[in-house]
Amino acid sequence: AQSVTQPDIHITVSEGASLELRCNYSYGATPYLFWYVQSPGQGLQLLLKYFSGDTLVQGIKGFEAEFKRSQSSFNLRKPSVHWSDAAEYFCAVGLIQGAQKLVFGQGTRLTINP
Amino acid sequence: DAGVTQSPTHLIKTRGQQVTLRCSPISGHKSVSWYQQVLGQGPQFIFQYYEKEERGRGNFPDRFSARQFPNYSSELNVNALLLGDSALYLCASSLELTGELFFGEGSRLTVL
Repeated sequence: AQSVTQPDIHITVSEGASLELRCNYSYGATPYLFWYVQSPGQGLQLLLKYFSGDTLVQGIKGFEAEFKRSQSSFNLRKPSVHWSDAAEYFCAVGLIQGAQKLVFGQGTRLTINP
Repeated sequence: DAGVTQSPTHLIKTRGQQVTLRCSPISGHKSVSWYQQVLGQGPQFIFQYYEKEERGRGNFPDRFSARQFPNYSSELNVNALLLGDSALYLCASSLELTGELFFGEGSRLTVL
């Protein structure tokens, strides 16, 4: 069965520091991969996606992610975080089996220290 | 342009009751998907509708049902509510069957 693991439930970083959020997936074929962000009480906003091609993907708000097939990983990075980046981050794998279905990880809550 | 809109935003029900949640997709989007997000977890896929037909269903009991109307809006119905149905219910639309999903802000259901 397809699954997504985000090993870090909660991460705290200082404003201006770099950030890396980890994501590992289990899927038999080449996956479609996504990172979403959710602010408190809000829906999900797409940060970036990987379908094929260049394994380093640029997204909105200065985020990027790298797809590593050998490690089944799709880690999210940002060189310098801002206080407004505090939120919940979800990694997801997209499945197309007659329907389009996203399988999400449990999320990583990001706290920013001033 | 309006994004995905959901109503109601919050509601409280008691066990055994029934609830209907509504979703209006982005104009021109033909597909609507529903996800359940329990507190502290990632969203889980419930249904996808495309061109008014159910195209996919997640691992949810038959108490959960949905439909899509000719204007592509959608309703999610949950019967015989259980405490465990308390969650944020997210609706997402996409232009076609596959493609980028745009999420609404959700309907938060509390079952007492």
